[in-house]
Amino acid sequence: GIQVEQSPPDLILQEGANSTLRCNFSDSVNNLQWFHQNPWGQLINLFYIPSGTKQNGRLSATTVATERYSLLYISSSQTTDSGVYFCAVWGFMEYGNKLVFGAGTILRVKS
Amino acid sequence: NAGVTQTPKFQVLKTGQSMTLQCAQDMNHNSMYWYRQDPGMGLRLIYYSASEGTTDKGEVPNGYNVSRLNKREFSLRLESAAPSQTSVYFCASRARGGISEAFFGQGTRLTVV
Repeated sequence: GIQVEQSPPDLILQEGANSTLRCNFSDSVNNLQWFHQNPWGQLINLFYIPSGTKQNGRLSATTVATERYSLLYISSSQTTDSGVYFCAVWGFMEYGNKLVFGAGTILRVKS
Repeated sequence: NAGVTQTPKFQVLKTGQSMTLQCAQDMNHNSMYWYRQDPGMGLRLIYYSASEGTTDKGEVPNGYNVSRLNKREFSLRLESAAPSQTSVYFCASRARGGISEAFFGQGTRLTVV
């Protein structure tokens, strides 16, 4: 089945710094999502980005489907950006279609 | 717009008790999913319903049953809870298979003692 790898696994930033999170996937996909799991455990949709570039405020994402990777950019980080960032793609597994998650990047933003 | 709503948010059960986790979505989505999230294991698919009237097993279905009550609602039942079912449970939905965005509920934190 499809594999999703995220890097780095952990990231500590000073408030105001910028960062880039990477997601590599093992097979061609036609849908990819980025989520933020906040400290309360909620999974927040950030981007649905099968290909191309999207921006939402301080966050932007780029997916290059032909090269099987996606990048999430966080600019001018704030303490509220802390949490876990997941990349996920839909892949066909032996039991059907499944949203396959990467292991996540744990982001800690210090004030 | 409520999106995907799960109840309850927290629950403590004794081993052997039963309970049903409820999930409802108001986005007119066809497909609904139940995942569990455990430390170091990521999110694993328990059951899913591709459309109203159908349900299928996912990666970790043992110990669970589901009901797609109607297009809006998809419930997850634990018939005889075990400590290994202590987890955070998420319900998700999306419009249709293939090319569409999934949305998640706020999660149910279940502890079995």
